[in-house]
Amino acid sequence: GAVVSQHPSWVICKSGTSVKIECRSLDFQATTMFWYRQFPKQSLMLMATSNEGSKATYEQGVEKDKFLINHASLTLSTLTVTSAHPEDSSFYICSATTRVTGELFFGEGSRLTVL
Amino acid sequence: RKEVEQDPGPFNVPEGATVAFNCTYSNSASQSFFWYRQDCRKEPKLLMSVYSSGNEDGRFTAQLNRASQYISLLIRDSKLSDSATYLCVVNPRAVDKLIFGAGTRLAVHP
Repeated sequence: GAVVSQHPSWVICKSGTSVKIECRSLDFQATTMFWYRQFPKQSLMLMATSNEGSKATYEQGVEKDKFLINHASLTLSTLTVTSAHPEDSSFYICSATTRVTGELFFGEGSRLTVL
Repeated sequence: RKEVEQDPGPFNVPEGATVAFNCTYSNSASQSFFWYRQDCRKEPKLLMSVYSSGNEDGRFTAQLNRASQYISLLIRDSKLSDSATYLCVVNPRAVDKLIFGAGTRLAVHP
């Protein structure tokens, strides 16, 4: 079974609204979580790295005020797309790692469509 | 230049064929290397890590050439279920940050 769970799997929203995506590590404590975005036929692009209890580190070109990341606990990180626009429509994937093994686990992804 | 480059394909091969993918990376200080498999509209799944000495897992063989900065994946005796996009992934530094290639699409037909 999945060790990292994302919710929702699919979301359709109107332009201008905000959407929250949750990423949970189910049976381990995730010291670090990563958020990726993937447009059709393109590679996964790292958006940000979040460590529990601290501010996320955003990659160049990613607006931190638009993509709010909260990693309040060792098992939950959230990504909020604020004031979503059609160009934000994409596949958002989280991944989590634990310092115990260093292995990286991916969530199932969340497909966002902004109308 | 992209950090990780792959031929996008698609590679269309018959069942039983042997197919090879290459990937080049730009950062010579890269620490670790992986091949991931991604099915359509799904998350990536780790296929295998790539070691300097080369490694094999069943029908899959991965090799790393640090001097030329490329990684290869060889799939023998292709199965229909091997149809997917294969992502070359590089960890450029000693942190858990992965850089993904755009992927190479493989289609195995009967």
